[in-house]
Amino acid sequence: QVQLQESGPGLVKPSETLSLTCTVSGDSISSDYWSWIRQPPGKGLEWIGNIYNSGSTNYNPSLKSRVTISIDTSKNQFSLKLSSVTAADTAVYYCASGRRIAAIDYWGQGTLVTVSS
Amino acid sequence: QSALTQPASVSGSPGQSITISCTGTSSDVGNYNLVSWYQQHPVKAPKLMIYEGNKRPSGVSNRFSGSKSGNTASLTISGLQADDEADYYCCSYAGRSTLVFGGGTKLTVL
Repeated sequence: QVQLQESGPGLVKPSETLSLTCTVSGDSISSDYWSWIRQPPGKGLEWIGNIYNSGSTNYNPSLKSRVTISIDTSKNQFSLKLSSVTAADTAVYYCASGRRIAAIDYWGQGTLVTVSS
Repeated sequence: QSALTQPASVSGSPGQSITISCTGTSSDVGNYNLVSWYQQHPVKAPKLMIYEGNKRPSGVSNRFSGSKSGNTASLTISGLQADDEADYYCCSYAGRSTLVFGGGTKLTVL
């Protein structure tokens, strides 16, 4: 079992950079892909991107120019940075993981990030 | 990369079976047997119910099953129970190590 916990500011100003960290505990060897997914209030899920254990990254083409996902295995953490945010980036952000690229086994509880001045 | 298409809502009575469809394209659903399904109760994180089209993770009831025909994947829930009432999302591999979700379907148990 893998436990995931998101942390970071709940309020970000427009045009600034959203930064979140996911701390991993438990049996992290159970996962190879570490993902970020978001859900705007009252709307559906949107895949943001993931990072493999090797450090290779994959991003949603619609967000690719603004997204960076990184991993720090020494701290059991991986991170999300989303630049030039607008109100449309207001959402619950989930960190998640899995052994297979197309199966997300473990999810954090999610953290609401609001973009507002 | 466009979102997969799901019906906004479906409903059924306890004990009945329902099916939720998920329509993509030949670039995602139709080209890979890598569709997963997630159940999300209100203010909860999603839960993996089906992966690689028709496989169930340990602990998921065999009342949940998945299938695919062409560019459309389907989730069937048999023997509906009150606790099945939730939002359901499909997700497909879309090539180049990317994923795409469906818009979600609200299941109401009457």
